[in-house]
Amino acid sequence: TQLLEQSPQFLSIQEGENLTVYCNSSSVFSSLQWYRQEPGEGPVLLVTVVTGGEVKKLKRLTFQFGDARKDSSLHITAAQTGDTGLYLCAGANNQGGKLIFGQGTELSVKP
Amino acid sequence: DTGVSQDPRHKITKRGQNVTFRCDPISEHNRLYWYRQTLGQGPEFLTYFQNEAQLEKSRLLSDRFSAERPKGSFSTLEIQRTEQGDSAMYLCASGTSGNTDTQYFGPGTRLTVL
Repeated sequence: TQLLEQSPQFLSIQEGENLTVYCNSSSVFSSLQWYRQEPGEGPVLLVTVVTGGEVKKLKRLTFQFGDARKDSSLHITAAQTGDTGLYLCAGANNQGGKLIFGQGTELSVKP
Repeated sequence: DTGVSQDPRHKITKRGQNVTFRCDPISEHNRLYWYRQTLGQGPEFLTYFQNEAQLEKSRLLSDRFSAERPKGSFSTLEIQRTEQGDSAMYLCASGTSGNTDTQYFGPGTRLTVL
């Protein structure tokens, strides 16, 4: 069974601080996606990473896919209150594309 | 591109009743997925379709659950004889085969079983 361990589960920081969220597995994924979810809404896609070692940037967010395609990280620089939300990583196994999700990281950015 | 839509957004039902949810995917997407999410957890895969064919079902999908995608466009998820444990957010996503498996999610249907 493929599992994705996401850490930390909860994170409360002050506006302007930096943070990193980790997503780890013993399994290899063909691609990995990061989503952000607001309460009562569906997950919104932030990025898809496909190649081992790949780094993608989305404004203040930096995403990295591990060389072995088993892990990923999301780094946020100078967090803002608008970054508050649930961050989810999800891996695809190249067999139909169903996603295996981590438990999520609940981020709270305080002014 | 109008995105993935789901209907209804909220459903409250009594235990033992049947409920049906609808998902309309992004029009050019041939794959459609159903997931279930409970509070404090990430979504869990239930089933997926490629065009009208249902290609995989999770063990989570008991015989009270059935999903269809008759014309390869919209899909329905029916739960028969609902139980309190069925209370969750039901999420639909769509994507294209062979395209990095990126999936786009709808807003979800929140089911509450009393």
